Amino acid sequence: ETGVTQTPRHLVMGMTNKKSLKCEQHLGHNAMYWYKQSAKKPLELMFVYSLEERVENNSVPSRFSPECPNSSHLFLHLHTLQPEDSALYLCASSQEGVRGKPIQETQYFGPGTRLLVL
Amino acid sequence: RKEVEQDPGPFNVPEGATVAFNCTYSNSASQSFFWYRQDCRKEPKLLMSVYSSGNEDGRFTAQLNRASQYISLLIRDSKLSDSATYLCVVNTWASGGSYIPTFGRGTSLIVHP
Repeated sequence: ETGVTQTPRHLVMGMTNKKSLKCEQHLGHNAMYWYKQSAKKPLELMFVYSLEERVENNSVPSRFSPECPNSSHLFLHLHTLQPEDSALYLCASSQEGVRGKPIQETQYFGPGTRLLVL
Repeated sequence: RKEVEQDPGPFNVPEGATVAFNCTYSNSASQSFFWYRQDCRKEPKLLMSVYSSGNEDGRFTAQLNRASQYISLLIRDSKLSDSATYLCVVNTWASGGSYIPTFGRGTSLIVHP
C-alpha cells in the first residue's frame, strides 16, 4: 500500500461503545495529525505527533484519546461519544526536519473515516 | 476574528473563465502558506505552496502579501475538472516543536459547460 491509509472507512457506533480509528502512513514521514471535518466547518486540527511525541492537543474532549506507537501508525481511541461527534476524521502525515528547520510541510491525507454516532 | 478566512462561495463560472479566490489570515507570525483542493467526499490534496514572490503552476497562480496577511489563487481557463473546494492553509511554528496548520473553511468552485 502507498500513501496514507485509514481504517475503517465507515463506522457507526452507539454512545456507549468503544472503538478505535487506525491510520498508517507508508511515506517515511515523522509527523502525523488527526483532523475532524464536520459539514459547513473548516478542518479542525485535533492532535499533532512529531517524532512520536504529542506536540499539540487542540482542546479536544477526553473522550478522544490518540496513540502513536511509532512514526508510521496513529490511532484515535473513541469512547462515550456524542452525536455531535459524527464527522469525517482525517489523518495526515508530513516530513519535518529538526526543530526550526523543516524539510517539507506538505501534508498528505488519508481517505478519512466517516463516523456516525447514534 | 477567525484565524483563516475565505469566501465560501460557491463561485459558479463557465468553462474558460478566469476566477480568483482570496484568503486572509490573522496570525502575523505564520510562516508558510498553501492551497489545497478537496473534491466532494474525498480528502484534501496539495494544489500548490504559496511564496512571497508569487508562483505559477500551469493555469494556477498563487500570491502572498505578508504585509496585508492576504493570499490569493488565480485559475485561468477554468476546466470542468476544476470544480472542487479550495482550502487555504496557513502554518505556524509551535513552541512544542512542530508546524501547526490552520485551514480555512474553503471556497467552493463550480465550473459549468
